[in-house]
Amino acid sequence: GAGVSQSPSNKVTEKGKDVELRCDPISGHTALYWYRQRLGQGLEFLIYFQGNSAPDKSGLPSDRFSAERTGESVSTLTIQRTQQEDSAVYLCASSNDRALPYEQYFGPGTRLTVT
Amino acid sequence: RKEVEQDPGPFNVPEGATVAFNCTYSNSASQSFFWYRQDCRKEPKLLMSVYSSGNEDGRFTAQLNRASQYISLLIRDSKLSDSATYLCVVNMYNAGNMLTFGGGTRLMVKP
Repeated sequence: GAGVSQSPSNKVTEKGKDVELRCDPISGHTALYWYRQRLGQGLEFLIYFQGNSAPDKSGLPSDRFSAERTGESVSTLTIQRTQQEDSAVYLCASSNDRALPYEQYFGPGTRLTVT
Repeated sequence: RKEVEQDPGPFNVPEGATVAFNCTYSNSASQSFFWYRQDCRKEPKLLMSVYSSGNEDGRFTAQLNRASQYISLLIRDSKLSDSATYLCVVNMYNAGNMLTFGGGTRLMVKP
């Protein structure tokens, strides 16, 4: 079946511009996660959506970052007034939290470059 | 102390070698455990879940020691294609099913 998809695959933007990244989770997956991975670094948790519960935003690095998800479908991550330190790969993952053991499946990521 | 700790490596091994990675986790409430594999400039992919009784998938064997709070991954008969970063991942259900990722262990298999 279809996996997690993300768009765009690559985005180059100028410092100060806003960007919007999109994630389409696996159909039926109730949970959706956003991570950031800088070059040569580990995964950095950003935000977690679980069904209709309030999202866990504890990983968002600043108020320039926000994310939305409608129901159990697509999610968008928005970065306002981008800075060079925002350059990274942004990964989305989804999981079926109705059944153990809740493995996450990742999309291919969006590579963001802020110039 | 990090919640999930791994030796970053790199582990450089010849083809055909057996190599083992360990991972320790700090939260005794952790309930699910996984190994993910990440190739260079690619997304992490689930390699295997780790069950209490230990489990094997071909050349890969995963073990869990709850008392000592560590997880291991054993790779037998290493292939060049096994070269990647291996991520130890822990799920704490009381934290909303979030996964906590270790920093990864890099493996390089040489001819």
